[in-house]
Amino acid sequence: EVQLVQSGAEVKKPGESLKISCKGSGYSFSNYWIGWVRQMPGKGLEWMGIIYPGDSDTKYSPSFQGQVTISADRSIRTAYLQWTSVKASDSAMYYCARHLGIGDWGYCSSPTCYPDTWGQGTLVTVSS
Amino acid sequence: DIQMTQSPSSLSASVGDSVTIACRTSENIKTYLNWYQHKPGKAPEVLIYGASILKSGAPSRFSGSGSGTDFTLTITSLQPEDFATYYCQQTYRSPSFTSGPGTKVDFK
Repeated sequence: EVQLVQSGAEVKKPGESLKISCKGSGYSFSNYWIGWVRQMPGKGLEWMGIIYPGDSDTKYSPSFQGQVTISADRSIRTAYLQWTSVKASDSAMYYCARHLGIGDWGYCSSPTCYPDTWGQGTLVTVSS
Repeated sequence: DIQMTQSPSSLSASVGDSVTIACRTSENIKTYLNWYQHKPGKAPEVLIYGASILKSGAPSRFSGSGSGTDFTLTITSLQPEDFATYYCQQTYRSPSFTSGPGTKVDFK
């Protein structure tokens, strides 16, 4: 069974660093793009960026470039999302998702392009 | 970024009703559009990809149509488990896979 299991909920103070994780199982972790998706309370889904664990090729959405770092360690089948200094506005639910249909350059090669497996979500709360 | 709008933002319906949700994009995305169902406490699930292709395992009462800038999701004969929030999402511009603001479907 294909699964993504995310790390647990986090409570942080503004200015602290944070790294959350997403561990894959049941498939060839290196060969599928993983995306990170933010959902702020009452809002829609925002794709933050994607990473190809096979070579750590990473693409960031312009809104999140420079705000977070996406990484992966294929030896332990885990992708990461990290902040050097969190803000209250980073409080949200964060999902990782395995994506189908993303090609070599990080673009959808056809309309058959979607996340088929999701992690359970990691709730991040930033409050002083 | 490609801007996405959805209408209505919410709707009330009864079991057995048919409902239609509209999604509009700010530029032509051909059929690079997905529809998601999202229930509280769970991860989103894709129902439709490529604007009209039903994902394997998704109920056949869900259907999608459209291309270019205008798309619709139709649920025929609404079931109790369909009360949720629905999002459209474009995959034409990677990795800025923007989604719409969502349409909440609840009990009348």
